[in-house]
Amino acid sequence: KQEVTQIPAALSVPEGENLVLNCSFTDSAIYNLQWFRQDPGKGLTSLLLIQSSQREQTSGRLNASLDKSSGRSTLYIAASQPGDSATYLCAVESNYQLIWGAGTKLIIKP
Amino acid sequence: NAGVTQTPKFQVLKTGQSMTLQCAQDMNHNSMYWYRQDPGMGLRLIYYSASEGTTDKGEVPNGYNVSRLNKREFSLRLESAAPSQTSVYFCASSLTTSSEQFFGPGTRLTVL
Repeated sequence: KQEVTQIPAALSVPEGENLVLNCSFTDSAIYNLQWFRQDPGKGLTSLLLIQSSQREQTSGRLNASLDKSSGRSTLYIAASQPGDSATYLCAVESNYQLIWGAGTKLIIKP
Repeated sequence: NAGVTQTPKFQVLKTGQSMTLQCAQDMNHNSMYWYRQDPGMGLRLIYYSASEGTTDKGEVPNGYNVSRLNKREFSLRLESAAPSQTSVYFCASSLTTSSEQFFGPGTRLTVL
């Protein structure tokens, strides 16, 4: 059974720092991996989608990498801003279903 | 474009009551999903509809039923609510089952 883990559960860093969020999964037979952002009391916003054949995807200050063989993905955020404060979730697609991690709650201190 | 809309935003039920959560999307997506999110946990898939006219069970379907009314609408019904169904419910849609998913704002349900 596919399991997705995100470490750490919470992270607080000063504004301007570069940071890395981690996601690991137990079964490498995935179709894709997605990173989402969730703001308190709101829905989820898709940030990046990496197909299983890809190694990374970039969008603005965000870069996501995928290493299927080791069952890992990282989300790199450059030059963090207070507006980046949110919970970040990763999800892997297996058998037409998304399996989710519990998320990393990120706080960027001004 | 409104994207994915959900009604209601909040609901309080008593144990044993029934209700239907509504979801609609205006992006002409083929696939729609219902998830629940509990504190400290990731989202769990309840049911999904890969295309109009089809529905399939997800990870946690017990206690729920769904209807894909047409291409735009996908409803989730609780026939006899239980306190264990207290959660935040999210509806999502995607062009296909392997495409980026777009989420509604969620329904916060409390069962007393």
